[in-house]
Amino acid sequence: ETGVTQTPRHLVMGMTNKKSLKCEQHLGHNAMYWYKQSAKKPLELMFVYNFKEQTENNSVPSRFSPECPNSSHLFLHLHTLQPEDSALYLCASSQEVGGRVGQPQHFGDGTRLSIL
Amino acid sequence: GESVGLHLPTLSVQEGDNSIINCAYSNSASDYFIWYKQESGKGPQFIIDIRSNMDKRQGQRVTVLLNKTVKHLSLQIAATQPGDSAVYFCAENSNAGGTSYGKLTFGQGTILTVHP
Repeated sequence: ETGVTQTPRHLVMGMTNKKSLKCEQHLGHNAMYWYKQSAKKPLELMFVYNFKEQTENNSVPSRFSPECPNSSHLFLHLHTLQPEDSALYLCASSQEVGGRVGQPQHFGDGTRLSIL
Repeated sequence: GESVGLHLPTLSVQEGDNSIINCAYSNSASDYFIWYKQESGKGPQFIIDIRSNMDKRQGQRVTVLLNKTVKHLSLQIAATQPGDSAVYFCAENSNAGGTSYGKLTFGQGTILTVHP
């Protein structure tokens, strides 16, 4: 149990569907992250939220829309995805962004997304 | 651009042997490093971290060594067990101006296979 829970664990959707990924952290952290993990590639940072405010959008296409209603919850809304968007989407949290010292990020187990 | 990479993509060892996984980084401003373990079907799991004011840090059966002169990081696992089989990632963060903490750069990963 990592303290970061992602749902659903698996998702298959067509290119015209709309779906959402959910992440919840029980660690009392203030920063939350979305990453994309594709085969044979390093983890790719997508979005960063710090105290509910988005601090990073790493040139992510607009078909991915994040939402952070509070420091414990993070969503990734998906719309009109492409086959190349099939990947493992990981959520992580850390104490905060921009602190004086580095902190580890703690990950959930991800949502395996397949686009038909 | 700055990057973190691994020398070896795969490592096979016998149960009971010691394992050493290496990581090179290129950002001279990196001052915080993390090792993660990712098992099949799971998200990355925090193993150990080290700050740049240290050369060595030990945990339970794991030791991280940092050589800032040659920008090299290693993870040593003592008495490797089959349960240690996983992909291991290094990640780094730099405190450029005190505002970039929270943005980790990940290596591709090394696949560790432990044979009984």
